[in-house]
Amino acid sequence: GENVEQHPSTLSVQEGDSAVIKCTYSDSASNYFPWYKQELGKRPQLIIDIRSNVGEKKDQRIAVTLNKTAKHFSLHITETQPEDSAVYFCAASIIQGAQKLVFGQGTRLTINP
Amino acid sequence: DTEVTQTPKHLVMGMTNKKSLKCEQHMGHRAMYWYKQKAKKPPELMFVYSYEKLSINESVPSRFSPECPNSSLLNLHLHALQPEDSALYLCASSQDQTSGRTDTQYFGPGTRLTVL
Repeated sequence: GENVEQHPSTLSVQEGDSAVIKCTYSDSASNYFPWYKQELGKRPQLIIDIRSNVGEKKDQRIAVTLNKTAKHFSLHITETQPEDSAVYFCAASIIQGAQKLVFGQGTRLTINP
Repeated sequence: DTEVTQTPKHLVMGMTNKKSLKCEQHMGHRAMYWYKQKAKKPPELMFVYSYEKLSINESVPSRFSPECPNSSLLNLHLHALQPEDSALYLCASSQDQTSGRTDTQYFGPGTRLTVL
């Protein structure tokens, strides 16, 4: 079945610097890759997603890149702010009877003022 | 309405109790999901409903019993739980499971369950 690996597990950056989180997936049939941000005690919130027919997508300070050949995708956050501190989860979609998401283990991002 | 809502926010129950978690969405979504999330871990899929029919059961113990009374509501009935079942239970919904493409899943705020 699908396996999603996410690195690093923790990341600490200075405010204003960039942060990059990387994920790899195993099932070449996966075609949808969302990123969720989860603040402490809150729900996971979709921040950006990308489909397999696109190599890059950007939304203000957030961008996601996808390399289908290498089966990896990355989240890039530029000009980081304290409110970016949270746990970030990547995911990949698979179809096993029905569509479902397989999540990475998460990255705890801390922005230091 | 663009939100998934869940009740209650917190629940404490004994191992002999019977309780239910409730999830509701009014976005016209036809797929609904239950996830379990332990601390510092990703959400773990439990059940998927598509057009009110159960389409995925991830080998969840029978002490968890899902129900989808209509397209807007999803329940999770709990009975004879164990302390290790204590977790955050998240509901999610997405537009469709049959369109041939994966649709975005939107999560509710979760129910924090403690089993004593």
